[in-house]
Amino acid sequence: SQKIEQNSEALNIQEGKTATLTCNYTNYSPAYLQWYRQDPGRGPVFLLLIRENEKEKRKERLKVTFDTTLKQSLFHITASQPADSATYLCALDRAGGGNKLTFGTGTQLKVEL
Amino acid sequence: EAQVTQNPRYLITVTGKKLTVTCSQNMNHEYMSWYRQDPGLGLRQIYYSMNVEVTDKGDVPEGYKVSRKEKRNFPLILESPSPNQTSLYFCASRQQGANTEAFFGQGTRLTVV
Repeated sequence: SQKIEQNSEALNIQEGKTATLTCNYTNYSPAYLQWYRQDPGRGPVFLLLIRENEKEKRKERLKVTFDTTLKQSLFHITASQPADSATYLCALDRAGGGNKLTFGTGTQLKVEL
Repeated sequence: EAQVTQNPRYLITVTGKKLTVTCSQNMNHEYMSWYRQDPGLGLRQIYYSMNVEVTDKGDVPEGYKVSRKEKRNFPLILESPSPNQTSLYFCASRQQGANTEAFFGQGTRLTVV
């Protein structure tokens, strides 16, 4: 069956360091992969989208990689700040998949002073 | 301002009492969907709609109904709520196409006692 895995354990890092979050998937051929940020009790907010033929995408302090051979995406936040503390969700999107986004369970990031 | 609006934000109800959670978007999006979010299970799609009068089941549709009479509105109906439907619910909308971001509402926390 199709599966999207994100590390369920919280990631604690020190301010200023680079946070790296992982999204692995199986039995899936996504055309696009998206990352969202979710704060407690709030709806997810879109951050970045990367296509299957793109290796890397950047936006300010954010960087996403997409390796369709490894079936993995890495999400990096450089120079992390306490305000980056949130849960980060990856979502997979198939071309012709009826617009359905399938989400991972998310990884909680805590950036400490 | 582009937004998805859900109401109510919080709802406590009793088993068997019909309820409706409203969702409205102002972006003229064709695609709308409902998700529920539970600890450890992530976001799971309940129902989705590709356009007016076009709806279909997601991954966990049992116990729910939806309708799409107008493009902007996509209400979620629980005809006979049960305690296992206690959850955090999100409505989302996006443009047609697999490379578009999803916009989420602020969430509805439902408790069925």
